[in-house]
Amino acid sequence: ELKVEQNPLFLSMQEGKNYTIYCNYSTTSDRLYWYRQDPGKSLESLFVLLSNGAVKQEGRLMASLDTKARLSTLHITAAVHDLSATYFCAVDGIIQGAQKLVFGQGTRLTINP
Amino acid sequence: EAGVAQSPRYKIIEKRQSVAFWCNPISGHATLYWYQQILGQGPKLLIQFQNNGVVDDSQLPKDRFSAERLKGVDSTLKIQPAKLEDSAVYLCASSLDLGISYEQYFGPGTRLTVT
Repeated sequence: ELKVEQNPLFLSMQEGKNYTIYCNYSTTSDRLYWYRQDPGKSLESLFVLLSNGAVKQEGRLMASLDTKARLSTLHITAAVHDLSATYFCAVDGIIQGAQKLVFGQGTRLTINP
Repeated sequence: EAGVAQSPRYKIIEKRQSVAFWCNPISGHATLYWYQQILGQGPKLLIQFQNNGVVDDSQLPKDRFSAERLKGVDSTLKIQPAKLEDSAVYLCASSLDLGISYEQYFGPGTRLTVT
């Protein structure tokens, strides 16, 4: 069974600091997503990582994928308050013969001015 | 391009009542998904359709949940009867086709509160 684990689950940080969110998954997968969710809102796709060593950057966020370690990271550089949200990673995998997107528990990020 | 539409956005019902949610996917998207997101957790897939056929419903509690996509476009998800533990946000998503090459796009969700 494909399991996706994120850590930390809660993160409170000050503006201007750097931090990293980790996403581990249990079985081989070819595709990993990072989503952002604001309170009461739906999921916004941030990054799609397709292959080992893939790195994508958008503004203060950078995501990377190591398929051998089954690990993805979301790095936040010089955090600003607007990045406060819950961040989910999700992995595409075959479960019980069907292709499914399996989500981590989410990391609730709070950035304090 | 219009996104995935869902209605209603909010619903409050008492336990043992019935409720139905509606989803209109992005035009031309063959694959449609229903997810359940309990507060503080990631979304969990309930059912996925390819056109009007069910691809996977292994995580759908079939004793009380049902879903259909009769014409291969809109879909409805029904709960009958509802339980307290069904309180969650129900997200609909669609993708152009089935398979990992096709990204899923999510709707705004329906927040269900069962009292």
